[in-house]
Amino acid sequence: GAVVSQHPSRVICKSGTSVKIECRSLDFQATTMFWYRQFPKQSLMLMATSNEGSKATYEQGVEKDKFLINHASLTLSTLTVASAHPEDSSFYICSARDRAGADTEAFFGQGTRLTVV
Amino acid sequence: DAKTTQPNSMESNEEEPVHLPCNHSTISGTDYIHWYRQLPSQGPEYVIHGLTSNVNNRMASLAIAEDRKSSTLILHRATLRDAAVYYCILRGWRNNNDMRFGAGTRLTVKP
Repeated sequence: GAVVSQHPSRVICKSGTSVKIECRSLDFQATTMFWYRQFPKQSLMLMATSNEGSKATYEQGVEKDKFLINHASLTLSTLTVASAHPEDSSFYICSARDRAGADTEAFFGQGTRLTVV
Repeated sequence: DAKTTQPNSMESNEEEPVHLPCNHSTISGTDYIHWYRQLPSQGPEYVIHGLTSNVNNRMASLAIAEDRKSSTLILHRATLRDAAVYYCILRGWRNNNDMRFGAGTRLTVKP
């Protein structure tokens, strides 16, 4: 199956610093990428949807100035957590698809565990 | 959005079949039923999906009720590696074909 690679797999940063997470589709062109956040013992929560070359669409309650998403190419999307704080510590997961349609499989990265100290 | 309801947890013995239920009474005619699973500390992985007919693949089978208001994911012989959270998700034009996760079912497999 198609591969989505996320980097880094885990990161520890100091409060107030910014962290960038990369999501790459390795063997297909991802027209749409999705970013999720997952707190311990909870389900994945969709944060935003991004289409290549356009601005991301954020879910209600997600601060776009804090979670900056760039989908500059068909194989790369980045999520930057600006001025991270301990409450931003979470498991961040990206997903990508190569075409629209409800009958398509979604491909997920392995996740990035962010710890803000 | 069409919602799904799953039991919070289930247990199974290794080598035995597992039937994971999902209720989706508000499903629309164009919603696809997707199943994904998430192993600990990993991103979700695709299991199977279907629209109306039952589906089989190398991982599992999907049995869809005739009225489509419920479905069952069937693992024919559970292994320890199948211990995961299983998510039943409806995807359709009403939600832009997005993947939105509910609470899922945590499957424990006992040796």
